[in-house]
Amino acid sequence: NAGVMQNPRHLVRRRGQEARLRCSPMKGHSHVYWYRQLPEEGLKFMVYLQKENIIDESGMPKERFSAEFPKEGPSILRIQQVVRGDSAAYFCASSPGQTSGNTIYFGEGSWLTVV
Amino acid sequence: ILNVEQSPQSLHVQEGDSTNFTCSFPSSNFYALHWYRWETAKSPEALFVMTLNGDEKKKGRISATLNTKEGYSYLYIKGSQPEDSATYLCAFDMAGFQKLVFGTGTRLLVSP
Repeated sequence: NAGVMQNPRHLVRRRGQEARLRCSPMKGHSHVYWYRQLPEEGLKFMVYLQKENIIDESGMPKERFSAEFPKEGPSILRIQQVVRGDSAAYFCASSPGQTSGNTIYFGEGSWLTVV
Repeated sequence: ILNVEQSPQSLHVQEGDSTNFTCSFPSSNFYALHWYRWETAKSPEALFVMTLNGDEKKKGRISATLNTKEGYSYLYIKGSQPEDSATYLCAFDMAGFQKLVFGTGTRLLVSP
């Protein structure tokens, strides 16, 4: 059973470009979470999605960031018009359900560098 | 603002030593406490999910306890090995649907 798969692992973008990060959850998991780790900081919650629904996006910056988890295909975290401060590691996680007490499995992360 | 504190920040022990770390979290609105082991360039590896006051969980040489009334959890490693070297993270489920608030971790280095 493959784990949470993220791609690309490393992405370099110039300021003003768009970044798209993809996440395929573990097989059978319908709940996806995105977390961000800024330099010298801990992991911070960004958004929680189920298939075709955003459940909680309270951790997402108000502008330029969006996330989706379509009926078919991976979850996408999209950052428009990237700025240097968006440089971070973005981690996707998945779980089989939203019941507290479920294990949440993380991917290996996507490292975004904005130059 | 929810704070999850971990101590110590870093720890250097010799092979064979036993060690423990602390995770402190808010004692109100508790849903679950997660422990992860994180090696550089890898995904955080789930160790335990703890939901009940007094919970004790064990996985090999690693065990954890939970006190939700006073808001802390301990992670113990018995007979540390070099391969235990990693950052150990705890995360507090603040909303009941696994929206996790992470501590900054305890970095463990085990020397042979």
